[in-house]
Amino acid sequence: DAGVIQSPRHEVTEMGQEVTLRCKPISGHDYLFWYRQTMMRGLELLIYFNNNVPIDDSGMPEDRFSAKMPNASFSTLKIQPSEPRDSAVYFCASSRVEAFFGQGTRLTVV
Amino acid sequence: AQSVTQLDSQVPVFEEAPVELRCNYSSSVSVYLFWYVQYPNQGLQLLLKYLSGSTLVKGINGFEAEFNKSQTSFHLRKPSVHISDTAEYFCAVNSGTYKYIFGTGTRLKVLA
Repeated sequence: DAGVIQSPRHEVTEMGQEVTLRCKPISGHDYLFWYRQTMMRGLELLIYFNNNVPIDDSGMPEDRFSAKMPNASFSTLKIQPSEPRDSAVYFCASSRVEAFFGQGTRLTVV
Repeated sequence: AQSVTQLDSQVPVFEEAPVELRCNYSSSVSVYLFWYVQYPNQGLQLLLKYLSGSTLVKGINGFEAEFNKSQTSFHLRKPSVHISDTAEYFCAVNSGTYKYIFGTGTRLKVLA
């Protein structure tokens, strides 16, 4: 298996633009997680899904953030409109027991 | 509610010396415990896990950890570190709900 695949690896966008991050989990994993990592706040859980259903989105910072999982092999995290304080590395992870992480998307909002 | 505390934000150690990275957790229910390693500009990679059974678990790259229920600890150890072990290490807990709680990380710097 190729592991958890995230795209793009790097994204630079202007404030106010819409940003979409993508994730392909490991086949057979029924949990999917979105995390955000910053120097100030460390690793924060934004939302997680079980069998494509959102279970806990209490970590989503505000309404500008939304996540979907239309099927077992694809998920998106969307930020609209983006702001400079959204700059961070966003990780997707999937699991059956232990979580496996993607390489992350480094988002820079200027 | 669960929480994870990594007491040391940075640990410098000389090459070939032993190292221990500390992790304490709090939970009112049984937990699964994990250690992850993050190299610069990469995602988190699983080092080892405790699910049940033997309290001493061995992982990749010569690391091991011991689950101590009475002290609610899961410290990570390596008897002899290498320069390539320089990275950030995260302890995580999961109570079976699959909601992972991560510690704030310990930056291990191995000195030549």
